[in-house]
Amino acid sequence: EDKVVQSPLSLVVHEGDTVTLNCSYEVTNFRSLLWYKQEKKAPTFLFMLTSSGIEKKSGRLSSILDKKELFSILNITATQTGDSAVYLCAVVTKGGKLIFGQGTELSVKP
Amino acid sequence: SAVISQKPSRDICQRGTSLTIQCQVDSQVTMMFWYRQQPGQSLTLIATANQGSEATYESGFVIDKFPISRPNLTFSTLTVSNMSPEDSSIYLCSVETAGVKRYNEQFFGPGTRLTVL
Repeated sequence: EDKVVQSPLSLVVHEGDTVTLNCSYEVTNFRSLLWYKQEKKAPTFLFMLTSSGIEKKSGRLSSILDKKELFSILNITATQTGDSAVYLCAVVTKGGKLIFGQGTELSVKP
Repeated sequence: SAVISQKPSRDICQRGTSLTIQCQVDSQVTMMFWYRQQPGQSLTLIATANQGSEATYESGFVIDKFPISRPNLTFSTLTVSNMSPEDSSIYLCSVETAGVKRYNEQFFGPGTRLTVL
């Protein structure tokens, strides 16, 4: 059975800290891995990763994929209170179907 | 990225009734999907909305409970039928953008928060 596992499930840090969120997966027909940020209802797209070892970067956020070890990490440096959200990892499989992890709830304290 | 709208944004319904949720995209897209997010849970795929044919449902979801329409490449509806409190969730549509890239990104609509009393 396809599965995506994220860790930790929740995390509390202070502003300025650096955090690393983990996502491991076991799926058949892997196409790509996506990271989303969810604050209220709709997940907002962060990154799409398709190749191992190539870092994607956007401001203070970065992510990388390891297709041999079947995991990805999302790094956030110099965290701000506005980074508080649930971060979702999803694997795209055959037919475009997304399989989501449980999410990591990040809380950044002032 | 595609601009996706959903209506209604939220609703409170009585058990036994049905609600139809609309999803509109500002451009033609190849793939449209419907997801459910129950309270405190992650997202689960309900079905793939196929243009011009019946939707493809995931295990645990059936057409009688969640009928889906997709009359064209920019619009889809999801109906939650004969609702019970267990159907209280956020319902989200997502689209996979068309293009020449082999790997396409997926974007989500703003979601519909449904509460069933």
